[in-house]
This record gives sequence, C-alpha cells and structure tokens, in this order.
Amino acid sequence: KQEVTQIPAALSVPEGENLVLNCSFTDSAIYNLQWFRQDPGKGLTSLLLIQSSQREQTSGRLNASLDKSSGRSTLYIAASQPGDSATYLCAVPEGSARQLTFGSGTQLTVLP
Amino acid sequence: NAGVMQNPRHLVRRRGQEARLRCSPMKGHSHVYWYRQLPEEGLKFMVYLQKENIIDESGMPKERFSAEFPKEGPSILRIQQVVRGDSAAYFCASSPGQNYGYTFGSGTRLTVV
Repeated sequence: KQEVTQIPAALSVPEGENLVLNCSFTDSAIYNLQWFRQDPGKGLTSLLLIQSSQREQTSGRLNASLDKSSGRSTLYIAASQPGDSATYLCAVPEGSARQLTFGSGTQLTVLP
Repeated sequence: NAGVMQNPRHLVRRRGQEARLRCSPMKGHSHVYWYRQLPEEGLKFMVYLQKENIIDESGMPKERFSAEFPKEGPSILRIQQVVRGDSAAYFCASSPGQNYGYTFGSGTRLTVV
C-alpha cells in the first residue's frame, strides 16, 4: 500500500525567499504525481501534475520535479509571497480506481 | 467552465438526521471521487463513481453511507442517521479519465450537533 510523506510539516519564511517542499512515496510504480494547495477552510487547488514519464513541470514561480526511482518529488517556490501561505499537499493515484493517496501536507507561512 | 460544484458549502444536522451532499463534476468529466477530511487529519478516499456505476467503494464506511452518480444530475453522497463523528469536510473531485489529474470542489463542511 502506497504511503506518502511530506517534510517539513510546517515552514515559516520571510517574503522573497526561495523554498523547497519535499514529498516521498514508497511505491515507485506511480502513474503521476499531483501537487495541490489548500487554504484554510477551502478546497484544493491543483498546482502541477507530473506524469510518470516526466522529470519536471513548471508554472510561473512554481517548479515540481519527480524522481520515480528514488520515490521523491520536490516543489520549488521562487520569490515567495505572503499570498503563497497555505498548506501544500502532494498526492499519487493508487490502485485500479486511481484514487489519490495524500501526504499530510506542509503548512507554509510567508511573512511580509 | 464552472469547475467542480459542490453544495451546500456548509450543512448542519442533528444526530440521527440524514445528510445529502451534492457534486456536479466539470463538464466533460465522467469520473467522480469523494474524499473526507476529518478535523486535523488528511484527506481519505471514500468512493469512485462513473455514470450510473459505483466502481470502487472500498473507502466508504460499511453502514449509513451511500453514493450515487445518476445518468442525469449530480453525484450524491448520502449519510443516514448522522453521528458526531461524521463531522468533517467532504470533497468531491472529478477527472476526464484516469491518469489525467483531478479537479476538486470547494467541499461541504458537515457539522453534526
């Protein structure tokens, strides 16, 4: 059974810093990996989807990488802003239904 | 494209009542998933449906919970005889097919009093 781990659990940085969030998974036979952000009391917003054949995906200030062989993905956020403050979740589909298994998230606070 | 629409956003039920949560997937998406997020916990898979079919309900509690995705209309997650432990945020996600990534709705926050 797939297990997804995210470190750190919480991170606080001053505005403008570049930062890296980490995600690891135990079963490397994944179809893809998706990064989401969740604001308090809100739903999930998809940030990036990386297919298993890809090494990275970029969207604006966000860059996600995937290393299947080592069971790791990183989310790089450049020039962080207070509006980036949220919980960041990574998830991989599992099983014949491709239901998502989520990590426990990294709670990011960007201080102005 | 309005995205995945869930309603109501907030729902308060007394113990023993029924809760009905609705989800309209994105246009063109035929795959619907329901997830539950208990307070201070992560999201857990409940059920996967396609039109008129339950494909995988391995994450659903065996009693009181049911789901449907009729040919016409939204997907419904039904919780009968709610208890305080059912209080959680319930999220719906849709996808055009497997391996395409998922779009989530804003969730329904159920409070049982």
